Amino acid sequence: DAGVIQSPRHEVTEMGQEVTLRCKPISGHNSLFWYRQTMMRGLELLIYFNNNVPIDDSGMPEDRFSAKMPNASFSTLKIQPSEPRDSAVYFCASSRGGAITEAFFGQGTRLTVV
Amino acid sequence: KQEVTQIPAALSVPEGENLVLNCSFTDSAIYNLQWFRQDPGKGLTSLLLIQSSQREQTSGRLNASLDKSSGRSTLYIAASQPGDSATYLCAVRQSGGSNYKLTFGKGTLLTVNP
Repeated sequence: DAGVIQSPRHEVTEMGQEVTLRCKPISGHNSLFWYRQTMMRGLELLIYFNNNVPIDDSGMPEDRFSAKMPNASFSTLKIQPSEPRDSAVYFCASSRGGAITEAFFGQGTRLTVV
Repeated sequence: KQEVTQIPAALSVPEGENLVLNCSFTDSAIYNLQWFRQDPGKGLTSLLLIQSSQREQTSGRLNASLDKSSGRSTLYIAASQPGDSATYLCAVRQSGGSNYKLTFGKGTLLTVNP
């Protein structure tokens, strides 16, 4: 299994531009998480999907952020318009579903907004 | 709201030493606790998963314990090696309802000196 795959690995964009981050979870996993990591705040949950349905989006900072999971094998996190304070590493994780299973993380996307 | 605290924030030890990393959480209503390792610029690698009904889990030189009632977990690393240098993160999976999100501590940065 290739693990959780995220793209791109690095993204540099100008303030005001739209940014789209992509995630392919592990096949057979039906829970998907988007996290943001910064030095100041550590790992913060942005949104959690179960069976492609958003269960908890309380961590999405503001309306500029949106996430979709159109099918079990693909999810996107979009920021529009982007701001310098959005600069962080964004991680996607998946698990097989249910509460007792292990979560596996992708390699992350390092976003820099200038 | 669940809060996860890791102590110490940083630890430096000589090679060969046994060491303990600590994790505490405020809400004991959890399904499980997971320990991760993160190398600089990399994603999170799962080390051990302890279910709420378990007291400990072992993998090689790693041993993790869980005392759910007191809200504490420890990660014991035996005979530390320079290759163990990384940030170690603990995360708890909340129980209740269908929200299986993971809440993370801010990690312990471990340096093992040759």
